[in-house]
Amino acid sequence: NAGVMQNPRHLVRRRGQEARLRCSPMKGHSHVYWYRQLPEEGLKFMVYLQKENIIDESGMPKERFSAEFPKEGPSILRIQQVVRGDSAAYFCASSATGDNQPQHFGDGTRLSIL
Amino acid sequence: KQEVTQIPAALSVPEGENLVLNCSFTDSAIYNLQWFRQDPGKGLTSLLLIQSSQREQTSGRLNASLDKSSGRSTLYIAASQPGDSATYLCAVHFYSSASKIIFGSGTRLSIRP
Repeated sequence: NAGVMQNPRHLVRRRGQEARLRCSPMKGHSHVYWYRQLPEEGLKFMVYLQKENIIDESGMPKERFSAEFPKEGPSILRIQQVVRGDSAAYFCASSATGDNQPQHFGDGTRLSIL
Repeated sequence: KQEVTQIPAALSVPEGENLVLNCSFTDSAIYNLQWFRQDPGKGLTSLLLIQSSQREQTSGRLNASLDKSSGRSTLYIAASQPGDSATYLCAVHFYSSASKIIFGSGTRLSIRP
């Protein structure tokens, strides 16, 4: 009964490269959320997706960041042309339905930008 | 704007003491409130989830209370142990925030042997 799976656990990129973070939701869950945790801070919401749809991206930076949740396969958070300020832990959560259902979190991907 | 505040930011107590961590939030219209534990460099471990209709939840040495009218929750840890040392995060799911969970900045707890 696997939980939310994120990979890689750690990712190192040089400035200007692209980072791709993956999230497989819990079995039976079709709603995915991405959060970012900057050093010494709490988690901040980025984006909420259902299969093939972005529902709420109000927390996503306007440039360089994108997210998708295709019909098949994991959800992907993509960061283009990374900068030092992108260094953070990125957490994915999933729920069976939206609204008030509990969100179950993965272990996160720690992104380090050299 | 929905906000979640945790005070204090850091706390250090000797082993064996009972302690209380505080969380306050700005809007009483919530779906639920959740307490998480986070160890350095690690993911989130869900400790207790309190639904809007509930007043408290208990798990082992942990007890979380919820008072929506005053916008407060407390996490009570009994007979603290060094293994309880971690950051504790309070997270609130507000009606008006739709899909978002709003997190506090956490309380970093250190239990001295």
